[in-house]
Amino acid sequence: DIQMTQSPSSLSASVGDRVTITCRASQGISNYLAWYQQKPGKVPKLLIYAASTLQSGVPSRFSGSGSGTDFTLTISSLQPEDVATYYCQKYNSAPETFGQGTKVEIK
Amino acid sequence: QVQLVQSGAEVKKPGASVKVSCKASGYTFTSYGISWVRQAPGQGLEWMGWISAYNGNTNYAQKLQGRVTMTTDTSTSTAYMELRSLRSDDTAVYYCARVRYITIFGVVINNDAFDIWGQGTMVTVSS
Repeated sequence: DIQMTQSPSSLSASVGDRVTITCRASQGISNYLAWYQQKPGKVPKLLIYAASTLQSGVPSRFSGSGSGTDFTLTISSLQPEDVATYYCQKYNSAPETFGQGTKVEIK
Repeated sequence: QVQLVQSGAEVKKPGASVKVSCKASGYTFTSYGISWVRQAPGQGLEWMGWISAYNGNTNYAQKLQGRVTMTTDTSTSTAYMELRSLRSDDTAVYYCARVRYITIFGVVINNDAFDIWGQGTMVTVSS
């Protein structure tokens, strides 16, 4: 099975900072990659699909890039409401594995 | 509005079974799939499997094969996930999620991301 590895596991940044999270697949998955945001105690929310397409209603400070094995999620200007754990997920084929998550906090 | 509403929390003893429901509304149920994802306390997201609401085709996570069954009732737009022979490490919040399809000229070529999620169902397995 293809493994999804995120880095870092956690990060702390200041409001307004640019934040980048990396997701690496153990084999190529083309652009079948989604990013989800899960705020504490809440349901996961789709942010980005097809590696770089912003889901409707998601703020434009979120962006995604990559193809093949290496992907990034960028928050261009971190806001207090962005405190959450972020997960990548492959969906090119089953199993549709998630990364282990990256916890984002405000410094 | 488009939503998935799940059944309520469950407490089960080891060895028992649990069946969680996920009722869809606001969209054509058979035009999407349903995936199930669980999250143990303090842990990450684990994909459990997928079912086509159109034809009932399924695909389960290998570690759950033989213990999990996913079904749908198109007459009520409801998906179900049954997990048997429960163990303490099955204690988790269980989510259903709507799965879009990627199509080219009307032909489904692949599943897409999970765009709508249920509110989650806490299943506690304890003696």
